[in-house]
This record gives sequence, structure tokens and C-alpha cells, in this order.
Amino acid sequence: SQQGEEDPQALSIQEGENATMNCSYKTSINNLQWYRQNSGRGLVHLILIRSNEREKHSGRLRVTLDTSKKSSSLLITASRAADTASYFCATDDGNNRLAFGKGNQVVVIP
Amino acid sequence: SAVISQKPSRDICQRGTSLTIQCQVDSQVTMMFWYRQQPGQSLTLIATANQGSEATYESGFVIDKFPISRPNLTFSTLTVSNMSPEDSSIYLCSVGEGANQPQHFGDGTRLSIL
Repeated sequence: SQQGEEDPQALSIQEGENATMNCSYKTSINNLQWYRQNSGRGLVHLILIRSNEREKHSGRLRVTLDTSKKSSSLLITASRAADTASYFCATDDGNNRLAFGKGNQVVVIP
Repeated sequence: SAVISQKPSRDICQRGTSLTIQCQVDSQVTMMFWYRQQPGQSLTLIATANQGSEATYESGFVIDKFPISRPNLTFSTLTVSNMSPEDSSIYLCSVGEGANQPQHFGDGTRLSIL
């Protein structure tokens, strides 16, 4: 299965700032999903974007998808200390089996 | 979304032993999956748990090492057999409801092997 891959960065930002992280993948996808993980616990589903969608919003989250570049981005606006977590993208090639990226660690400083 | 409960939440085991992890969902779901997250790493799919039939394993994972059961649409187990320190990981189950539906995860089982 294909592998989503985030830019390998750890973000450290001040509360109130925006955080952007990127994800690239190698093959065709049915959809791409973003997850949050706090301190090695379970994953919380954030957004699913289908291959025929270009942008999706959920509260302070904005996800874009560019299938021509095989990339996606997750923007968190007006960050809060509670947004401190690891963020993963995962691609679904249509078989519901997810291939996860390496993850981005975000630290929001109060 | 479905409520997913995993047991145990964590365990420390001796090498050579086996541990069975349970995943219980509060509603019937179409698909259940098992993932592994090694320390500091991302998640890797182990297998798809098929209701009433043998699980479908991903490359690098075999039934003898990770036997899986799924007797009904709300429950699945993953056994980690003959454990070694390399099996120290978080094991997570997830559930899905079909095409273009989000997968939801349990809280995971943190396993340490001494």
C-alpha cells in the first residue's frame, strides 16, 4: 500500500499562531485522512478528504488536497495549548487499509 | 461514531509468552483492523480482521505470530505470540464503515516485553 509521508518537522509555536504541516504520497488514493495523537494514546480522527475534493474545513482545521502533486496540508488556525500533539496523515487506496505518514509533532507554547 | 474499547490498556510481559488484546465496539461495524506503532514511529497495518473467516495479513506479518479472531461484528482479538523485546509497541484496533468513511481507533494497548 502507498505511504503517506509528512515533512519531517517538529513545530514549536506560540499560542494563537497558525500551524501548517504537509503530507505527500506516492500512488493513487481514494481519500486521505488526518489524525491527532496525544502522548502515545489512541488516534483521534480529524478530517477525511476525498480524492475529488480540494479543500475541507472543520472548526479551526483546514485541509487541502492536490492530487496532481500527490500532497495534502493541514492548517490549524489560532492554535491552543491543547493542540499540542502528533499529527498523522493516512491514505486509503480504496481498500480501506490505511497507510500512515511519519507524523508531525506540534508543540503549542502557552 | 462507535465507541471502541481495548483491553488491556497496557501490560508488561516476559519474553516467550503470549498476550491476547481485545477490541470491543458498541455497535456492529463492517470492518475492523489491527495496527502496530513501534516506539517513536508511525502506524503500520498488521491485518484486516474478517468476520467469520481468517484475517488478511499485510506483508511482513504472519498468522502464527499475530493470530486474530473476529467472531462477530462487534468484537475482535489480536494475540501477540512468543513475544520478544522487538514486539514492544502500541497495538491499536480500528473500525470502518466502508468506502470514504473515517476509520476510528481505540485507545491502544501499550505492550512492553522484558
